[in-house]
Amino acid sequence: AQRVTQPEKLLSVFKGAPVELKCNYSYSGSPELFWYVQYSRQRLQLLLRHISRESIKGFTADLNKGETSFHLKKPFAQEEDSAMYYCALSGGTGNQFYFGTGTSLTVIP
Amino acid sequence: DAGITQSPRYKITETGRQVTLMCHQTWSHSYMFWYRQDLGHGLRLIYYSAAADITDKGEVPDGYVVSRSKTENFPLTLESATRSQTSVYFCASSAGPGANEKLFFGSGTQLSVL
Repeated sequence: AQRVTQPEKLLSVFKGAPVELKCNYSYSGSPELFWYVQYSRQRLQLLLRHISRESIKGFTADLNKGETSFHLKKPFAQEEDSAMYYCALSGGTGNQFYFGTGTSLTVIP
Repeated sequence: DAGITQSPRYKITETGRQVTLMCHQTWSHSYMFWYRQDLGHGLRLIYYSAAADITDKGEVPDGYVVSRSKTENFPLTLESATRSQTSVYFCASSAGPGANEKLFFGSGTQLSVL
């Protein structure tokens, strides 16, 4: 069965420190992986997707098929990175999006 | 991104009442989704729709009904609200599978069932 696991509900780091939000998945086919972010008082929005291999707001995520992971990383956290982050998986058929339970990131000034 | 709107933003109701949450998108996206967001559970899919008049159950459909008579609207109805349905509800839309597949979310409806 498909599943997305985010083991950390809460994560606090100091400004300027590296941050890594963990995401593991299980899926029988070839999924597409995403990170969505929800800033305070804003709607959920796409942060990045593995297929684009891009860096958004300094964040990167590499799909590791061997470890079935898609961890989100940033070398130097900023206060404005404080938000709720969701890892998501798509089956690629348009109608299957599965989300993890989310990680609330707080960057301490 | 006013392309997908939800109403109302906040709703308080009593157990047993029928409640309808509205979702409207202006992009003509084929796919629309309803999620509920709960602490410890993240986002869980209630129902989705691949096109007008095509709907299907997600992970947690019990107690909910949807319809999609027009591409742009995807209302979610709680036929007889229960306290366990107190949650934040998000509607989302997507153009469908492919290189540009991604979800666009509404602002959410915070529902309290007393």
